[in-house]
Amino acid sequence: ELQLVESGGGLVQPGGSLRLSCSASGFTFSYYWMTWVRQAPGKGLEWVANIKQEGIDKYYVDSVRGRFTISRDNGKNSLFLQMNNLRVEDTAVYYCVREGGGWYFDLWGRGTLVTVSS
Amino acid sequence: QSALTQPASVSGSPGQSITISCTGTSNDVGIYNSVSWYQQHPGKAPKLIIYDVSHRPSGISNRFSGSKSGNTASLTLSGLQAEDEADYYCSSKTTSSTLLFGGGTSLTVL
Repeated sequence: ELQLVESGGGLVQPGGSLRLSCSASGFTFSYYWMTWVRQAPGKGLEWVANIKQEGIDKYYVDSVRGRFTISRDNGKNSLFLQMNNLRVEDTAVYYCVREGGGWYFDLWGRGTLVTVSS
Repeated sequence: QSALTQPASVSGSPGQSITISCTGTSNDVGIYNSVSWYQQHPGKAPKLIIYDVSHRPSGISNRFSGSKSGNTASLTLSGLQAEDEADYYCSSKTTSSTLLFGGGTSLTVL
């Protein structure tokens, strides 16, 4: 079964760090670009970052560049998002997403909630 | 970069058709055929319903269709059903090698 399962969310204070993980199964993980998309409570979707198959090419939304790092381990079918210097406005459900061959997302995880609050 | 512009809400009666617009710029929607649409029910992850402007993934009803003209893309949903009530988001690649989503449109089936 095609599946993406996120973990690592939780409550963190402003300025703190958190590392999200995403475990992929049911497909050849190394063949795909992977992406993190977030959704603040009651708000719309926001693209956060993506990473190419080999893990070298990476792109970020301006608001997280320099604070977040996307990475992957193809041997372990895993995607990561290291989040440093977290801000209140980073509070959101973070989705691990597979890019289907272009700039579209054909497989989504259930999401993990990150809450940044003092 | 600002989000793509979508109407906040649309509504229609069962059996009717509705159209949701998604307006961007010449740096995103206008230059790329990389517009996608997603359906999101409350508490659920989004689901891809249209990609590359007008293509439907396997298993998506042909009641969903997409198009684009200039800087504006559109999603049309025909034969409205109660189960179509959800939030809908468009997205597009940008010239900065990033992606923008629309602000989302809440569809109400009356």
